[in-house]
Amino acid sequence: EPEVTQTPSHQVTQMGQEVILRCVPISNHLYFYWYRQILGQKVEFLVSFYNNEISEKSEIFDDQFSVERPDGSNFTLKIRSTKLEDSAMYFCASRKGDLLGTQYFGPGTRLLVL
Amino acid sequence: AQKVTQAQTEISVVEKEDVTLDCVYETRDTTYYLFWYKQPPSGELVFLIRRNSFDEQNEISGRYSWNFQKSTSSFNFTITASQVVDSAVYFCALSEAGSSNTGKLIFGQGTTLQVKP
Repeated sequence: EPEVTQTPSHQVTQMGQEVILRCVPISNHLYFYWYRQILGQKVEFLVSFYNNEISEKSEIFDDQFSVERPDGSNFTLKIRSTKLEDSAMYFCASRKGDLLGTQYFGPGTRLLVL
Repeated sequence: AQKVTQAQTEISVVEKEDVTLDCVYETRDTTYYLFWYKQPPSGELVFLIRRNSFDEQNEISGRYSWNFQKSTSSFNFTITASQVVDSAVYFCALSEAGSSNTGKLIFGQGTTLQVKP
């Protein structure tokens, strides 16, 4: 069964460094998402991406964040200059093109900013 | 405004007990979807069920059942004869159709279920 994959599973970085989180969505899916979950809290929407552009972003998704689909398979989230409060689990999700189809989540990348 | 409320922060039961997880949502849209996801200790988010706003039929899948009531804006989840493997955080989520139709999910705070042997 196809699934969303994410790399790395864990990343530790110093404050101010740039990080790139990678995701490979399910191959026939058209909508891609990033969510964030701070430890012990709820899952929060960051950004949605469709047709090679951002379709919606939350207030959390400020200028430090960017997303890209550099080729036909990868979907990346870049944090330009990490802050301590960026420490969280980051989930990638994808869904097919049907209206409000189910989103399938990757296993997450746990980011720790020191 | 869109919002999902899971008022139960933590629930602890003994194995084989039935347990119901509550979910109340707010939305102005007439077309929307509701979801339940399970997050086991390993951290991933596992899809359990999706219901659309036009289908109020309750659903049963093995030991799991869901009760969707538009009149009370609730989408409750019941586990019958709970097992230790059911221990996890359970999230209820809402997705609205709306004009933007990005399909983003709005999650509740989650309910931590602990099933003791």
